[in-house]
Amino acid sequence: QQKVQQSPESLTVSEGAMASLNCTFSDGTSNNFRWYRQHSAKGLEVLVSIFSDGEKEEGRFTAHLNRANLHVSLHIREPQPSDSAVYLCAVRSNYNVLYFGSGTKLTVEP
Amino acid sequence: GPKVLQIPSHQIIDMGQMVTLNCDPVSNHLYFYWYKQILGQQMEFLVNFYNGKVMEKSKLFKDQFSVERPDGSYFTLKIQPTALEDSAVYFCASSPDRGQDTQYFGPGTRLLVL
Repeated sequence: QQKVQQSPESLTVSEGAMASLNCTFSDGTSNNFRWYRQHSAKGLEVLVSIFSDGEKEEGRFTAHLNRANLHVSLHIREPQPSDSAVYLCAVRSNYNVLYFGSGTKLTVEP
Repeated sequence: GPKVLQIPSHQIIDMGQMVTLNCDPVSNHLYFYWYKQILGQQMEFLVNFYNGKVMEKSKLFKDQFSVERPDGSYFTLKIQPTALEDSAVYFCASSPDRGQDTQYFGPGTRLLVL
């Protein structure tokens, strides 16, 4: 079974400074890796979905996948206080089951 | 974007009772999912459902759990009887199809079993 781990557990950045989140996984055969954002009392919002090694940009969010290193990262450009939330890394199995990390709590200070 | 609704948002019940969690998926989506997140822990897959059948389920999907979507209405998760360890937030998700499609998640139902 896929094991997904995220670091750091929590991160505080100043408004406008780049935020970088990390995710490692145990099985590199998956073909899809996603970053979701979870605001309290709301559903998950998908940010970036990446299928192959390299970078995928969606607005201010960029995912970087290195399957050989079993690593996918998320970089948030010019974060705003409204970006404060829990960010979840998810790895998709062959059967469209998502395996989630435990999340990184991001706080963006004005 | 597409919205998945979940009813109720909170539910408190006594251990041993039955509970039904309701999910209103995105219209025209064909695949439906339930995930469970115990407070402070990772979200974990329970089950997915397509064309009236359970396709995959995890070891968390105990015999006391069942899912159905009668006549295209709500996609439901029923727990009978409930146990203390069932206390968690249950998230429903739906996707247009099984392949590469993104799963859209609801806001979750917070279940507390006393």
